[in-house]
This record gives sequence, C-alpha cells and structure tokens, in this order.
Amino acid sequence: EDQVTQSPEALRLQEGESSSLNCSYTVSGLRGLFWYRQDPGKGPEFLFTLYSAGEEKEKERLKATLTKKESFLHITAPKPEDSATYLCASLIYNQGGKLIFGQGTELSVKP
Amino acid sequence: GAGVSQSPRYKVTKRGQDVALRCDPISGHVSLYWYRQALGQGPEFLTYFNYEAQQDKSGLPNDRFSAERPEGSISTLTIQRTEQRDSAMYRCASSLQGASGELFFGEGSRLTVL
Repeated sequence: EDQVTQSPEALRLQEGESSSLNCSYTVSGLRGLFWYRQDPGKGPEFLFTLYSAGEEKEKERLKATLTKKESFLHITAPKPEDSATYLCASLIYNQGGKLIFGQGTELSVKP
Repeated sequence: GAGVSQSPRYKVTKRGQDVALRCDPISGHVSLYWYRQALGQGPEFLTYFNYEAQQDKSGLPNDRFSAERPEGSISTLTIQRTEQRDSAMYRCASSLQGASGELFFGEGSRLTVL
C-alpha cells in the first residue's frame, strides 16, 4: 500500500535553532514529492516539488531534499513566523493527479 | 477571484439530510480536486477532475458521496443522507495543469452533522 509518513508529529524549536523534518514514503513509483505549509484555519500552501533523488530546492530558511526513500525539510535559523504545520505528499505513476499526504509535522518556533 | 473559493464555509445539518458543497477554482485551471481533512491529519483524497471529466473517484467513501463539474469550472460535492461520521473539513483545490501536484487550496467547508 502506498504510504507517506512524517516525523516528528510535533516539533518545538527556539528561534534560531535549526532542525529537520522527515517524510518517508513507500510508494509503487514516485513521480514527485511535494511539500506544503498549512497555517491554522487555512488551506495548505505549496512550497516545493522534488522529482529525483539528490534534488534540492531552497526558499528563504527552508531547504527540501530527496533520497530514494525519504525527503527532508531543513529549517535554518527559524523565526516565529515559520510556525505552521508542514505536509509532504507523493504523486505516483499510474495514479494520475491523486496526491497522498502525510499526517504533517506541527512546528512551533518560540522567540 | 484570485483564489479558490468554497461555499458554504460552515454547514451544520441534521443526520439524514443532503448537503452540497461548492467549489469555484482559479480561472483557467484545468484540474479540480476534492479532499477531506480531519483535525491533526493531512488531507485525504476524494476525487478529481480534468476539465469536466471525473478522472478518479477512488477516494469517495461510499455511494452517498458524489461530485460533478459539468462545465469544467465550478464543482459540487454532494453528500446524501448525511451521517455523523461525515463531519469534517472538506477542501477543494485546483491546478493549472493536470496531475501536477502543485495545488492551490481553498479555505475549506467545515461540515458538522448532528
């Protein structure tokens, strides 16, 4: 069964304390791995797409990387405004536009 | 509008009633998706359309759930004979291209079945 698992479920950081979020995937054929940010009461907002192992994407304090089994979202020197739930999702060959989401990591950054 | 618009934002209904949730995607977006999201969980796929054609409805929980997008723009998700377990946030998203994975989500419709 195609599955996406994120860890940890929740992460509390001090401002400036760098860390990483993990997204493990076991899917039949990965077409793309996607990261989203979701603020409370809002819909998910697209951040990154990764297509192949070794690929990296960066945006401000965030960097996403991909291996053959997992993806990491690295947060460097986070600020309180980075607090949100981060979701990863997989797109699979032969399943069209169906995205399979993980359960998310709730990040809290304290000043 | 500039984003994906969903209505109603909140719907409270009694068990056994039918409900219709509406989604107005970003203009020009080919694909439209319906997801359901429980509190503290990631979105769960329900169904999606390319233009007016329903491409995949494998995520619809049972035959009380149906969706349509008759003119390739606005979509309606209908739940017949609602049950308490149908209570959830229903999210609509659209994408410029089919099966791109880069989705634009709406604010959602919160359904509560009493």
